[in-house]
Amino acid sequence: AQKVTQAQTEISVVEKEDVTLDCVYETRDTTYYLFWYKQPPSGELVFLIRRNSFDEQNEISGRYSWNFQKSTSSFNFTITASQVVDSAVYFCALPATGYALNFGKGTSLLVTP
Amino acid sequence: NAGVMQNPRHLVRRRGQEARLRCSPMKGHSHVYWYRQLPEEGLKFMVYLQKENIIDESGMPKERFSAEFPKEGPSILRIQQVVRGDSAAYFCASSPKGLETQYFGPGTRLLVL
Repeated sequence: AQKVTQAQTEISVVEKEDVTLDCVYETRDTTYYLFWYKQPPSGELVFLIRRNSFDEQNEISGRYSWNFQKSTSSFNFTITASQVVDSAVYFCALPATGYALNFGKGTSLLVTP
Repeated sequence: NAGVMQNPRHLVRRRGQEARLRCSPMKGHSHVYWYRQLPEEGLKFMVYLQKENIIDESGMPKERFSAEFPKEGPSILRIQQVVRGDSAAYFCASSPKGLETQYFGPGTRLLVL
């Protein structure tokens, strides 16, 4: 079954610390996509990244980076030099049928000044 | 370039009333998805529609819930005879094609009194 596990329910860090959010997935598909979304306190869902299983190169976008490890079925998300505005719930997701996203339960990140 | 629009943003209904949630996809997107976010259950897929067609409604409750995406106008998620357990955030997402990245709207927060 297609499944995403985000074992960290809540993380609290002080501003400027680096933080890594874990995502472990299970899939029977040989090719697949993985996603990260951000849900800030205002409540909307913001797309962050889509990664194809063919591409295991790490992705970096500003202070955000993603580490995709097919061997361990993980797609971890690191925020470098965290800021208060990074406080949000972060979701990892995997399509169940190709389009219906299966979301993890989310990791709530709190960055304090 | 407007994103996915949802209205209303907040909706209060009494038990037994009907709730209509609207979603206008991003320009150029003809695929719409509805998800529900319950406090203790996370984000769950409900239904996937293309113009005038329901492609997958496997996540929809069998009774009281229906969805449509007419040729003209927004997609509508309709909940008849609402109950307290329907209180949740309902998110709409859209994509240009079925396997593309889904971009989410701001959500409709439904409260059933």
